[in-house]
Amino acid sequence: QVTLRESGPALVKPTQTLTLTCTFSGFSLSTSAMCVNWIRQPPGKALEWLARIDWDDDEYYNTSLKTRLTISKDTSKNQVVLTMTNMDPVDTATYYCTRCGHNSYFDYWGQGALVTVSS
Amino acid sequence: QSVLTQPPSASGTPGQRVTISCSGSNSNIGSNTFDWYQRLPGTAPKLLIFSNNQRPSGVPDRFSGSRSGASASLAISGLQSEDEADYYCAAWDDGLNGVVFGGGTKLTVL
Repeated sequence: QVTLRESGPALVKPTQTLTLTCTFSGFSLSTSAMCVNWIRQPPGKALEWLARIDWDDDEYYNTSLKTRLTISKDTSKNQVVLTMTNMDPVDTATYYCTRCGHNSYFDYWGQGALVTVSS
Repeated sequence: QSVLTQPPSASGTPGQRVTISCSGSNSNIGSNTFDWYQRLPGTAPKLLIFSNNQRPSGVPDRFSGSRSGASASLAISGLQSEDEADYYCAAWDDGLNGVVFGGGTKLTVL
């Protein structure tokens, strides 16, 4: 059974760095073709893909946020970490981690973590 | 503004057939597969259609996907009240080297 769970601070201040952790089970990121993504959804707005890390350490980023994002993995802990620097109130959103499907972009989703950016 | 364009809303009555469009370009839907995701109120999005027209196990065959050029469509036949949700299309974009989403369509069952 595949599960993913996001964890991190619910509240961050403007200009701070956000660190989110995705802890997953039911698959291994050391398996060929596996990958994990981060996606967010601001309240009342659309989904936005943020980043992806592959089993072979390839990384992909949303071009408009690339300078602020870093994605990394710890295969031994079954975790993927996303850091986003210089947080702003517009970054207030629910952040999801997802697994890449064999023939889909995102086949399993975590429950999401609401992050509010406010002073 | 989203790279993929969806109508913000759609509606239908129980039993009706509803179609939701997703307009893209040659760099995304025109050259790569697309998925559809359903977000029921208060829950995380769920994969509804993958590889243009495939349904994951457990998704009723009332849901179907199709493509025409650089546009995708999601059709829901035999509309039911539990289909009331937000629907998003997604595709890989070769120019952006990442996944792009549509702005989402809120489906209301009247």
